[in-house]
Amino acid sequence: SAVISQKPSRDICQRGTSLTIQCQVDSQVTMMFWYRQQPGQSLTLIATANQGSEATYESGFVIDKFPISRPNLTFSTLTVSNMSPEDSSIYLCSVETWTGSDEQFFGPGTRLTVL
Amino acid sequence: GENVEQHPSTLSVQEGDSAVIKCTYSDSASNYFPWYKQELGKGPQLIIDIRSNVGEKKDQRIAVTLNKTAKHFSLHITETQPEDSAVYFCAASQPGGYQKVTFGTGTKLQVIP
Repeated sequence: SAVISQKPSRDICQRGTSLTIQCQVDSQVTMMFWYRQQPGQSLTLIATANQGSEATYESGFVIDKFPISRPNLTFSTLTVSNMSPEDSSIYLCSVETWTGSDEQFFGPGTRLTVL
Repeated sequence: GENVEQHPSTLSVQEGDSAVIKCTYSDSASNYFPWYKQELGKGPQLIIDIRSNVGEKKDQRIAVTLNKTAKHFSLHITETQPEDSAVYFCAASQPGGYQKVTFGTGTKLQVIP
């Protein structure tokens, strides 16, 4: 498994602003993922972040709204840009500890409220 | 794309009883089926998984069964305890350049002491 931390754990933001969420892993991993979980709902994959390449976004998510950085094998950031109340969600990062393992381990999440 | 359906959405059981959560998937190419437990305010925790070449897997009080022909899999929790209360998600994963995981809608399990 892997120990994953996220910052901030929660935040309350104003409409139109942006928030950057950090995800730190205690070991080097190839694959990192960002998910959104709206209140009481399931998890939806936003994008996959590989070190040294552009993130791959899922249908319905675009880079201008959710820019992602992956500067090394233990760290990634997700920015939620120009926020609206509809962006209020829990944002989770996850990792696949080694390529081909299939197993994904999740961070504790960032609870975002947009007013 | 893959579609994963999960039932029931809520489940209440008496402590000590068994709980069963069922999922179906649509993509016959899916070959990895994890189950996650999510406690309030926490991220999902992988509790058990099964691969398409196995029909059943057990880990202490939890077990998962897979029927590839019918494209459904189930989570079984025996001797339930109050600390089993949480939301459980099934998922299906397709092979490829990376493992894209599609999650079910979740089951809120309440174990009544």
